Amino acid sequence: DIQMTQSPSTLSASAGDRVTITCRASLSISDWLAWYQQKPGKAPKVMIYKVSSLESGVPSRFSGSGSGTEFTLTISSLQPDDFATYYCQQYKSHPATFGQGTKVEIK
Amino acid sequence: QLQLQESGPGLVKPSETLSLTCTVSGGSISSSLYYWGWIRQPPGKGLEWIGSFYSSGSTYYNPSLKSRVTISVDTSKSQFSLKLYSVTAADTAVYYCARQGRYFPYFDLWGRGTLVTVSS
Repeated sequence: DIQMTQSPSTLSASAGDRVTITCRASLSISDWLAWYQQKPGKAPKVMIYKVSSLESGVPSRFSGSGSGTEFTLTISSLQPDDFATYYCQQYKSHPATFGQGTKVEIK
Repeated sequence: QLQLQESGPGLVKPSETLSLTCTVSGGSISSSLYYWGWIRQPPGKGLEWIGSFYSSGSTYYNPSLKSRVTISVDTSKSQFSLKLYSVTAADTAVYYCARQGRYFPYFDLWGRGTLVTVSS
């Protein structure tokens, strides 16, 4: 299985901050990577696919970059609605695997 | 607007079989453009893909669960189902059904999830 490792596990930030979350894959996954946002008691929601493509309706303050084994999710100016847990996921090969999550909390 | 909804018992006894159904409304599960799958999330933990099926009849399972899982489909009812056999407390989780694109197989549409607790 391809292991996905996110850092940090928790990130404390204030509204307006620029935040970056890193995801590393144990093998190259090319650009087969998605990012999800999950709020308490809710299903995950895809934000970005194919490393940097924004899902329809996702604000442009979200962006993704990277290739191969290292990827980042950036929120350019954190909004109150963005406090949530974020997961990366590789879909290059079976089984699809997720990172352990990064909780973005209010500082 | 396509929607997915999980249903099934919220409590299952250890060693028994967990059975869930996902009903798809507003669209067809026979579409060649999508896979349909199950993901679970233990309380306070991360996400684990369980398995998916494609309209051709092919099914794909997580090797860690493959010996205990069956995914089946009833296209006439626009439903697909999950059976997980010989459950233990470690199978307690929120179970989600979700859609994956065929060419970009990330999970683009999710059900709301249903909590299944394994306890005697």
